[in-house]
Amino acid sequence: AQTVTQSQPEMSVQEAETVTLSCTYDTSESDYYLFWYKQPPSRQMILVIRQEAYKQQNATENRFSVNFQKAAKSFSLKISDSQLGDAAMYFCAYRGHGANSKLTFGKGITLSVRP
Amino acid sequence: EAQVTQNPRYLITVTGKKLTVTCSQNMNHEYMSWYRQDPGLGLRQIYYSMNVEVTDKGDVPEGYKVSRKEKRNFPLILESPSPNQTSLYFCASSFRSTRRYEQYFGPGTRLTVT
Repeated sequence: AQTVTQSQPEMSVQEAETVTLSCTYDTSESDYYLFWYKQPPSRQMILVIRQEAYKQQNATENRFSVNFQKAAKSFSLKISDSQLGDAAMYFCAYRGHGANSKLTFGKGITLSVRP
Repeated sequence: EAQVTQNPRYLITVTGKKLTVTCSQNMNHEYMSWYRQDPGLGLRQIYYSMNVEVTDKGDVPEGYKVSRKEKRNFPLILESPSPNQTSLYFCASSFRSTRRYEQYFGPGTRLTVT
């Protein structure tokens, strides 16, 4: 079974600085998808960024980028120029290639942004 | 607007009183799923459905039922709720194709069972 590990329960960053959130996963599949979701106080699950395992290029979405290391099974999220609105819980998630594959989530990390 | 809706958003109930949380999506997605979120545990899948009349258990199905009679709806049924089912529940949907894999989440339902 696939597992997703987020070992840091909390992190803090100064506004305008850069922070990296760590995530590792375990799988025997070669083709899969990885995601970072943001959950602000409203509780809505918001997709931040996605990565297809078959793509070597790291995904980027504006201030958000990932460092995808397939051999190491690592998928970290970098937030540049942190803003107060980035404060939220962030979940790393894995989805296998099969049509019935579920999303497997890590336990999440709470990010606070200091003004 | 493409969306997943859930109702109710908040519910307080008593042990043993049957309840249903509705989920509806307007994106013609084949795949729908229910998750529960608990502190320190992340989100865990309860049940999922690949299409109409096709449902299967996720990681934590005990105490829950689902049905998929229409493509757009996927209600979650708690026939005899217990306090350990107090949680935040999310419905999600996506296309079944493995290349159109993004899951869209509903706004969540906060359930308290006393």
